This record gives sequence, C-alpha cells and structure tokens, in this order.
Amino acid sequence: DSGVTQTPKHLITATGQRVTLRCSPRSGDLSVYWYQQSLDQGLQFLIQYYNGEERAKGNILERFSAQQFPDLHSELNLSSLELGDSALYFCASSVGAAAGGDTQYFGPGTRLTVL
Amino acid sequence: GENVEQHPSTLSVQEGDSAVIKCTYSDSASNYFPWYKQELGKGPQLIIDIRSNVGEKKDQRIAVTLNKTAKHFSLHITETQPEDSAVYFCAASPPHHSGGGADGLTFGKGTHLIIQP
Repeated sequence: DSGVTQTPKHLITATGQRVTLRCSPRSGDLSVYWYQQSLDQGLQFLIQYYNGEERAKGNILERFSAQQFPDLHSELNLSSLELGDSALYFCASSVGAAAGGDTQYFGPGTRLTVL
Repeated sequence: GENVEQHPSTLSVQEGDSAVIKCTYSDSASNYFPWYKQELGKGPQLIIDIRSNVGEKKDQRIAVTLNKTAKHFSLHITETQPEDSAVYFCAASPPHHSGGGADGLTFGKGTHLIIQP
C-alpha cells in the first residue's frame, strides 16, 4: 500500500458527460501528479500540482482540468467525454516539487469506461 | 521532450534465472530514472531508482545500471521468482525548468516479465 488513495475505483459513464476523480496524497507529500494509462498510449503524464499551485503540464487535453485543495487532496475533472478517454487514471504523490526528480508513489487508480 | 524506449516488450525466463530489461532516453538533461512494477489491477509500485550521479545501485536481487554517455539504463533481476511476474516500466525525469517544463515522469512502454516454473 503506497499511502495514496483514489476514488472511485471504477467509473462508467456516457459520451459527452463530465466526471471527477479524486486523489489523496501520502501524509506529508505536497505534490500530486495525474497520469493516464491506456493500451495505445501507455502511461502518460497529465499535470502536476505542488502545494495548491499548478507546477507542470504534460499531455493534458483542454477538456481536462485539475486542482489541488488546501488539504492537499486533488481532483481531476474530465468533461465532454469521448470513447477514447476510457483508460486508467493514476494519481501519484511526492514530498517536494520534484526539482531534479522526487520519488513518486502511485495510487491504485480509477478505471474510467466511456460508453 | 523526453522519449524513453524500452526493450523487450515481453521477456520469459525460467525461475531462478536472471532477467534484464533495457531502456534508452533522449534528453541528456534527465537525471532521475525510476523503475516501477505493475501487477494486474494495481498501480505502479516503485522498486528501485537511480540518479545521474550514480552508475549502479543494488537492492537485494534487483540492480539498476546507468550509462549517461550512451543514455541508457538497465534493470537486472537475479534469482527470479514467480512473484516477479508483472509488467515493469522504466521512466526518466528531466530537472524542472523554471517557467515551465514537466516534472512528470516519461515512461517506457513496459516489459511483461513472465517467470516460467
């Protein structure tokens, strides 16, 4: 158990809908990262928050957004969902801002199915 | 941006033998190289990592080597056991650049390691 929690475990929804995925980092970690894992694209970095502020952006679509709250939990919002958004979404956390590479610990993931 | 290539995509070894997985990266500024193990239905679990000021690191049956000049790093698992069966991912992380740049990890496509009894 990494100490990172994610809810829900599974989410099934329809195209065009909007969903929110939630992540709680390990105790003491200030950074939260979101990753998408799909069969064709592999594991891809989406976005990072550090202590409530957006820190870095990866391959995140404009339909996706995230935020980190004062209690350090984070939410990933996915809107106007398409079939191709079906994937596993992982949250990871680390202690610092990852300048030079911080160890990232991954949660168990949320499996999103868009029908 | 960074690009990480990982080989092989599938590796089958006899229990007790060694397994080697290799990765290359493109960004010479990358300085952190973790390896993750992912079992079915679970999130990636860190098994070992290495930073660019070190050439080799060992942890019991697992070792990682880094060749900065050639921009490649490898995972070595000795005395493989059935519980080593999983998908293994290498990753690379460049240093954060002020004003932008991803601190997220760039992952290889994964190696499905199968330990034959």
